[in-house]
Order: sequence, then C-alpha cells, then structure tokens
Amino acid sequence: TQLLEQSPQFLSIQEGENLTVYCNSSSVFSSLQWYRQEPGEGPVLLVTVVTGGEVKKLKRLTFQFGDARKDSSLHITAAQPGDTGLYLCAGEIIGEGAQKLVFGQGTRLTINP
Amino acid sequence: NAGVMQNPRHLVRRRGQEARLRCSPMKGHSHVYWYRQLPEEGLKFMVYLQKENIIDESGMPKERFSAEFPKEGPSILRIQQVVRGDSAAYFCASSPPLAAWAYNEQFFGPGTRLTVL
Repeated sequence: TQLLEQSPQFLSIQEGENLTVYCNSSSVFSSLQWYRQEPGEGPVLLVTVVTGGEVKKLKRLTFQFGDARKDSSLHITAAQPGDTGLYLCAGEIIGEGAQKLVFGQGTRLTINP
Repeated sequence: NAGVMQNPRHLVRRRGQEARLRCSPMKGHSHVYWYRQLPEEGLKFMVYLQKENIIDESGMPKERFSAEFPKEGPSILRIQQVVRGDSAAYFCASSPPLAAWAYNEQFFGPGTRLTVL
C-alpha cells in the first residue's frame, strides 16, 4: 500500500493554465517536503511545510499543508514550459525516530507551449 | 559549496557481479540516506546511516544488500550477486545534524543508474 498518494500521476496542460497537484495520506507527518526532479537528475528540494494550515509561496508556486498535517497541495499559476518535470511530495514520519522520508509516486507534469 | 556527490553516475553489471555505489554528503552533513527509484515511480527508502552507524535499514533487502558510512570516506551501498531486478536509479541524500525540535530536510545527489545485463 502507498502511504502517500499523489494525484494526478500525469498531467499535460497548455502554457498559461493553472493546476493543482495533491498529496494525501491517512498518516500524520511532522513535516512535508516537495521536490522537483528532472530526467537523469536527483530530486531538488522546493519547499518544506511544517505547521498545519501553513501556506508557502515560491514565485508562481503555492504550497499548502493540511490542518491535520496529513495532506498537502501544490498549485501552479500560469504554468510555463519550464515547469515541466516530475513533482514529488515526501512526508517525514512522526515517531519513527529515524527521520526517514516517505515519498509519493510523483506527478509528471508537462506544460505545452 | 559542493552538493551531494555520487559516483559512478552510470554503472553496468552482469548478473552475479557486485555493484558498489559511492556517496559523499554535503559538507557539514553527518546523516546519509539511500533510496531506490524504479522508472516512473517515487523513491523508496532503503537505509539511514550516521558515521559508523546504521540507524535504520528497514527498507533494505535482507540479502545481498549492505551499506556503510565509515569514519573517513564516502558512504558505500554494496549489492552483491546482482540480478536484473536490481536495475534502478539509486539516490543518496544527506542532512545536517538534527536538533530535537528540527524537521528533516534532505538534499539529494544526482544518482547512480545501475543496469544489470
């Protein structure tokens, strides 16, 4: 079973459109991170959200952590071709003691010019 | 300030051979994590190490896989007697020493792509 469910898994839209990617779980996380991964490269950290209800903005990207710290969303406004990539959410599990991250399966985003 | 370094970037092995993957964490980072990624999938945790200690190896297969992070030198992920199913991208991440109240941000290397023929 997948601890973190990301949706959609694939998304292809036109330049200028808005989109939202969701990351859902039944587990509570002490923090949740969003990464972006380019082909042939490692994931690059975009943002970390820690507090329930927290909202962080990174230019045209808005990240929100759910009030119960079980889910998160990534909203992109006016998408551009440069936003194309694999977006991964990762939750840090409370109480495990080892601070490992659990990853969603990713959302592959394609922005068409 | 160099990031996490991994080598080799690409590794080809025949079935039954050994694969050794190396990871040098970011300067000042004392925690190393290894993940495996299959095509079109997210990353799966394998093992978490600190210098000379394995903290959590709950994601490591029980046989053929081992990891170490010696006092000096890089962390090594070793896969003995590789099989085709081991073909994947293996990523290393590092994080700084954590305060009890801090959250864990991990920084990833570029990965090693292992192909088993």
